[in-house]
Amino acid sequence: KAGVTQTPRYLIKTRGQQVTLSCSPISGHRSVSWYQQTPGQGLQFLFEYFSETQRNKGNFPGRFSGRQFSNSRSEMNVSTLELGDSALYLCASSPRTSGRANTGELFFGEGSRLTVL
Amino acid sequence: AQSVSQHNHHVILSEAASLELGCNYSYGGTVNLFWYVQYPGQHLQLLLKYFSGDPLVKGIKGFEAEFIKSKFSFNLRKPSVQWSDTAEYFCAAGTSGTYKYIFGTGTRLKVLA
Repeated sequence: KAGVTQTPRYLIKTRGQQVTLSCSPISGHRSVSWYQQTPGQGLQFLFEYFSETQRNKGNFPGRFSGRQFSNSRSEMNVSTLELGDSALYLCASSPRTSGRANTGELFFGEGSRLTVL
Repeated sequence: AQSVSQHNHHVILSEAASLELGCNYSYGGTVNLFWYVQYPGQHLQLLLKYFSGDPLVKGIKGFEAEFIKSKFSFNLRKPSVQWSDTAEYFCAAGTSGTYKYIFGTGTRLKVLA
């Protein structure tokens, strides 16, 4: 079973630009979450999508947005990039089933490393 | 405010030493607790989780964690570490039924051969 795939793996942008990151979840997983990982801050929750709807949102400015498609693939977008947006952006998928099968476990991709100059 | 704290940022141990990594959380309601590990060059993966029931949970690779509700703690333990346990360890918490998790800042463990 293929894991969570994130593209691109590395990218460099300049301040003011915008960026779109893509995430393909594990087949059959319908929930996709996004996290920002920076040294010293650990992982910070951005948002979670399930059935093409944003279910939860973290404390990030409106420049950070996302969406999910009918095939569960997800994209996140950051507009008007700032130097502080340099980070590893992690995508995680989960089956998000109900009842006893709901393990709550997140399956992470390897991340997209964004550098803003 | 909800939070997860890991007090040990860097830990260095010799092989066969015992390990205990601290994790404290501040959360209202029913909380689910997790430990994730990130080996060098690899993605984060689940070590173990606690939802309810027996407060002593066992995970992969000989790791275990104990949920102590009165102390708001979920410490990770391993009786005898190996060089291959060198990794970064993250504690995480989330309200039951949601998929919004708060992670600690991580503990970098280095095991000397």
